[in-house]
Amino acid sequence: DAGVTQSPTHLIKTRGQQVTLRCSPISGHKSVSWYQQVLGQGPQFIFQYYEKEERGRGNFPDRFSARQFPNYSSELNVNALLLGDSALYLCASSLSQRRQETQYFGPGTRLLVL
Amino acid sequence: AQSVTQLDSHVSVSEGTPVLLRCNYSSSYSPSLFWYVQHPNKGLQLLLKYTSAATLVKGINGFEAEFKKSETSFHLTKPSAHMSDAAEYFCVVKEDSGYSTLTFGKGTMLLVSP
Repeated sequence: DAGVTQSPTHLIKTRGQQVTLRCSPISGHKSVSWYQQVLGQGPQFIFQYYEKEERGRGNFPDRFSARQFPNYSSELNVNALLLGDSALYLCASSLSQRRQETQYFGPGTRLLVL
Repeated sequence: AQSVTQLDSHVSVSEGTPVLLRCNYSSSYSPSLFWYVQHPNKGLQLLLKYTSAATLVKGINGFEAEFKKSETSFHLTKPSAHMSDAAEYFCVVKEDSGYSTLTFGKGTMLLVSP
């Protein structure tokens, strides 16, 4: 079975631009979460979606938004990019939201903002 | 609120010697605890997880961790390090508080010398 896939793998943007990152969960998984990993730090939670509804939001500005589609894939959008948005963006999927559920991570999209 | 403290930013061992990566957590609810590994330019791979069953948890590649509630610790160990173990390791806590998101520690870089 395919794991979590993300596209694109790498992206270079300039300040002020907008970016859309995409994630396809493992087949059968209904929950998708997004994390930002700045160089040298652990991942920080951005959003969680379950059954196409936002179920959690981390401490990120409104420039960050996301959505989940009927096939459970997801997009993360970032508007008005800042240099500090340069990071590895990770998507994770799980069967449900239950505490015991394991989140499986994709390889990430590395975003560089110039 | 939940939090994770990884007590060492870097750990250096020789191949064939034991590995100990230390983690303390704080949680208002009964947590699930995870260790993930991240090799350079790769996504996150689950090593093991604790979900209130056995306190000694065995994972992949010979790693294990022991949940000690009285010490609020979840240290990761391996009897004998291999060169391929060199990577960054993240201790992660997940609460069951309405929606479940992962809170990562800052990571411990494991260096293995021949």
